[in-house]
Amino acid sequence: EAGVTQFPSHSVIEKGQTVTLRCDPISGHDNLYWYRRVMGKEIKFLLHFVKESKQDESGMPNNRFLAERTGGTYSTLKVQPAELEDSGVYFCASSRGVLQETQYFGPGTRLLVL
Amino acid sequence: AQSVSQHNHHVILSEAASLELGCNYSYGGTVNLFWYVQYPGQHLQLLLKYFSGDPLVKGIKGFEAEFIKSKFSFNLRKPSVQWSDTAEYFCAVRDFNKFYFGSGTKLNVKP
Repeated sequence: EAGVTQFPSHSVIEKGQTVTLRCDPISGHDNLYWYRRVMGKEIKFLLHFVKESKQDESGMPNNRFLAERTGGTYSTLKVQPAELEDSGVYFCASSRGVLQETQYFGPGTRLLVL
Repeated sequence: AQSVSQHNHHVILSEAASLELGCNYSYGGTVNLFWYVQYPGQHLQLLLKYFSGDPLVKGIKGFEAEFIKSKFSFNLRKPSVQWSDTAEYFCAVRDFNKFYFGSGTKLNVKP
């Protein structure tokens, strides 16, 4: 079974530019999550999709962040315009259900905004 | 919101030494607890989890953790570490759909 994949692995952009991160969950997993780790601190929840619907986006920092999951398969997270404080590692995770389920994480995308 | 504290940010051990990494959480209700590990250059992997039942949980690679409800703790242990255990370790609590993570503990095992 293929794991969660994320693209790109690294991205370096300038302040004010746009970046789009992609996550492909494990096949058959309806639940997809985005997390972020900034400056070696704790990994923080951003949002949760159930299929194509946003179940919970309480962790999204501001309206510069837009997540989509058209068709309920892969998801994208767009940052527009990027700011310096957006630098960090963005993790995607997926799970089959929610309760009593493990979330399986991707390798992360390391974003650096200069 | 929940909070998870990992008190050891960086631990250095020699091979064959015993390991205990502390984890305390703030959530007072029914908890699901996890330890994840991230080896250099790899993604987060599940080490072990606790949902209910026996508070002593055994995971992969010889790791175990003990859930102590009265202390709000879920410490990770391994009796004898190996160089290959060098990694960053994360404790996490699930509150419905969200995972709350600690800040991580970097373990460096010297051969």
